[in-house]
Amino acid sequence: DVVMTQSPLSLPVTLGQPASISCRSSQSLVHSDGNTYLNWFQQRPGQSPRRLIYKVSNRDSGVPDRFSGSGSGTDFTLKISRVEAEDVGVYFCMQHTHWPLTFGGGTKVEI
Amino acid sequence: QVQLVESGGGVVQPGRSLRLSCAASGFTFSSYAMHWVRQAPGKGLEWVAVISYDGGEKYADSVKGRFTISRDNSKNTLHLQMNSLRVEDTAVYYCARDGLTPWGQGTLLTVSS
Repeated sequence: DVVMTQSPLSLPVTLGQPASISCRSSQSLVHSDGNTYLNWFQQRPGQSPRRLIYKVSNRDSGVPDRFSGSGSGTDFTLKISRVEAEDVGVYFCMQHTHWPLTFGGGTKVEI
Repeated sequence: QVQLVESGGGVVQPGRSLRLSCAASGFTFSSYAMHWVRQAPGKGLEWVAVISYDGGEKYADSVKGRFTISRDNSKNTLHLQMNSLRVEDTAVYYCARDGLTPWGQGTLLTVSS
């Protein structure tokens, strides 16, 4: 199985300041079709996960443009340009290039 | 709008069975693959199973041979039949549409003697 490793585990942030989360995969996430199937999810306290980013860098509808995804191959990053209070929660990366789908362990973002 | 509502969770003894359901609305259910993902208390996310729009199934090794995913397109409902339950199956179980968006609110399964 593809192992997804996130860092840091916990990320103290300051409102209005940028934040960055790293996600590394144990093998390349480039699919034979040329796409890279790496998603980012946000889970606010007490809520279900919500997809923020798909295929590395595509924001889902309704996701603020302060969230951005980047990376390639095995190294990926989620950035929040200016953290807001509503961004508190746990962020997960996930790959679906290879079966089974696998998630990173999560990064807890807290003020 | 797209809505997914899970049901069927509860407390069950090890070795017993339970069936979870996920009622879908707001989209053409029969056209989408559907997933089950679980989250043990205070832990991360674990993908469990997927069923394609035409019924093809895949499972995580941890549940293969014990869990069966199915769908009833006439009722816009997804199911997860769970047999030979173990303590380590305790989790909130979420259903999610293909692409893992959106997710339901989850249903809690507790396996305990």
